[in-house]
Amino acid sequence: KAGVTQTPRYLIKTRGQQVTLSCSPISGHRSVSWYQQTPGQGLQFLFEYFSETQRNKGNFPGRFSGRQFSNSRSEMNVSTLELGDSALYLCASSPGMGSGNTIYFGEGSWLTVV
Amino acid sequence: GENVEQHPSTLSVQEGDSAVIKCTYSDSASNYFPWYKQELGKGPQLIIDIRSNVGEKKDQRIAVTLNKTAKHFSLHITETQPEDSAVYFCAATSSGSARQLTFGSGTQLTVLP
Repeated sequence: KAGVTQTPRYLIKTRGQQVTLSCSPISGHRSVSWYQQTPGQGLQFLFEYFSETQRNKGNFPGRFSGRQFSNSRSEMNVSTLELGDSALYLCASSPGMGSGNTIYFGEGSWLTVV
Repeated sequence: GENVEQHPSTLSVQEGDSAVIKCTYSDSASNYFPWYKQELGKGPQLIIDIRSNVGEKKDQRIAVTLNKTAKHFSLHITETQPEDSAVYFCAATSSGSARQLTFGSGTQLTVLP
């Protein structure tokens, strides 16, 4: 069974631009969540989607947004990029919501903002 | 909200020795505690998890213990090997429809040959 797939793996953007990252969850998984990982802040929760609806959102500005499609694939978008947005963005999938569901991560998308 | 503290931040052991990483959490409603291993340039890989209705879980050389009263849980790796060298993260999450993992700050484990 294929794991969580994230594209692109690496990208470089300029301040002020926007970026869209894509995630394909494990087949059959319906919950997708996104995390940001930086050396200074560690792993921080961005948001979670289930059945195309955002169920939970972390403490990030409105420039960070996401969506989920009917096939459970998800995208996240960051607008008006800042240097501090440079990070590894991780997508995670889970069969469903609720604490009994195991969460699996993808390899991440490395974003560098210059 | 939930707060997870993880210790130590770095840990060096000789090959074949055991390694123990400890985490504490603040939210008594948390009931799911996964551990992830992250190698350089890769995403976190789930290595073991435990739910609050279980006190201990073992998978070959890896074990996790949970003390709900004290609100702490620990990862134990026995017979360490050089390939165990990585950053290990503990995490906690609570039940309910709104769920997010709160991570510890990570432990850099180095297994010396």
